[in-house]
Amino acid sequence: GAGVSQSPSNKVTEKGKDVELRCDPISGHTALYWYRQRLGQGLEFLIYFQGNSAPDKSGLPSDRFSAERTGESVSTLTIQRTQQEDSAVYLCASSQRGGIRGYGYTFGSGTRLTVV
Amino acid sequence: DQQVKQNSPSLSVQEGRISILNCDYTNSMFDYFLWYKKYPAEGPTFLISISSIKDKNEDGRFTVFLNKSAKHLSLHIVPSQPGDSAVYFCAASAQEYGNKLVFGAGTILRVKS
Repeated sequence: GAGVSQSPSNKVTEKGKDVELRCDPISGHTALYWYRQRLGQGLEFLIYFQGNSAPDKSGLPSDRFSAERTGESVSTLTIQRTQQEDSAVYLCASSQRGGIRGYGYTFGSGTRLTVV
Repeated sequence: DQQVKQNSPSLSVQEGRISILNCDYTNSMFDYFLWYKKYPAEGPTFLISISSIKDKNEDGRFTVFLNKSAKHLSLHIVPSQPGDSAVYFCAASAQEYGNKLVFGAGTILRVKS
């Protein structure tokens, strides 16, 4: 597609429920990243996929968070047993080359998750 | 542990004047710095970057200055336009972090016409 597509754009869920967020990267982009932005804070790195390499999961805040990516296509971020502190905008980004050093990513519009 | 700090939550500037957005960092290993711009309900978009081997990079109305000794960078927008009103994020990258960017909390810029 022309840009990075994320769905849903908004999600309200009850505390304790599981949610699944989807990201469609730009076609041909080998690298995919998940970030989140909680209210009043900067973008917080969650996880990074590069081709068929093992993902860098160092930013996942707890074992309730997991993400998958099939090849160089769609990625899903799953949050189990959601808590109120999980409320944030979850942003997906992709880049044409794994080494973005200075080139930047292309972000999607994000999924706004609200846990009530 | 905020390694990238944008200490001004907001900035208001008159149209046509200069906007200066500031960013400080603590990790001396950072060697690439980027600025992103974000409109409401949209994802951040890449604006301009600078390598640590340079002290200035210019792209049209946008110029980024880097002062490595002070661990400080700034984004200058001249002349400011109402369409520049957005949230601006500073981000940094280091070899030790691979391809991850470390972001600041952002500064809301309002350009008044």
